[in-house]
Amino acid sequence: SQTIHQWPATLVQPVGSPLSLECTVEGTSNPNLYWYRQAAGRGLQLLFYSVGIGQISSEVPQNLSASRPQDRQFILSSKKLLLSDSGFYLCAWSAQGLQETQYFGPGTRLLVL
Amino acid sequence: QKEVEQDPGPLSVPEGAIVSLNCTYSNSAFQYFMWYRQYSRKGPELLMYTYSSGNKEDGRFTAQVDKSSKYISLFIRDSQPSDSATYLCAMSGMNSGYSTLTFGKGTMLLVSP
Repeated sequence: SQTIHQWPATLVQPVGSPLSLECTVEGTSNPNLYWYRQAAGRGLQLLFYSVGIGQISSEVPQNLSASRPQDRQFILSSKKLLLSDSGFYLCAWSAQGLQETQYFGPGTRLLVL
Repeated sequence: QKEVEQDPGPLSVPEGAIVSLNCTYSNSAFQYFMWYRQYSRKGPELLMYTYSSGNKEDGRFTAQVDKSSKYISLFIRDSQPSDSATYLCAMSGMNSGYSTLTFGKGTMLLVSP
């Protein structure tokens, strides 16, 4: 069966510091991968998606970036965090050709102070 | 008009009640309709997945789609305290040739023993 991991689970960072969040998927090959942010009262916002290694599409302009160095690894980064980057970051995967059924990881709660 | 609208609740019901959760949408291109359950501080879990109009049943859960009214519902029979969570609807439509999900903001459900 497929499993999706995210770490760290929680993170408290000062404004202006860098960020690296990691997501890995087990039990499947060539998945579509997604990064979402969930802020209180604002729902789930798609940040990035990837259909393959090195292929990243950005949905929302911001100071975040994503990379996919390996087939089942997806990384969310920032060079300098803003207060507004605080939120709950969720990674998700779906099988190729089945973008509608996405499965989410446990999430990383980020607080920028 | 927002693309997907969902009453935030909370919706409070006694154990054993039938629960009805709803979403309305404006984009007639949506074809796939999903319901996710999200416990506090956890990632969303895919509950139901429906294509086009009609009903789909899975145990105590029934998903209903009415494309003519742009209205979807999730019914929970014999509700349990363990059903207490936030329920997110999601819909799939084409965006620049790729299918992405649009989420409602979620309805919080509280089932009291």
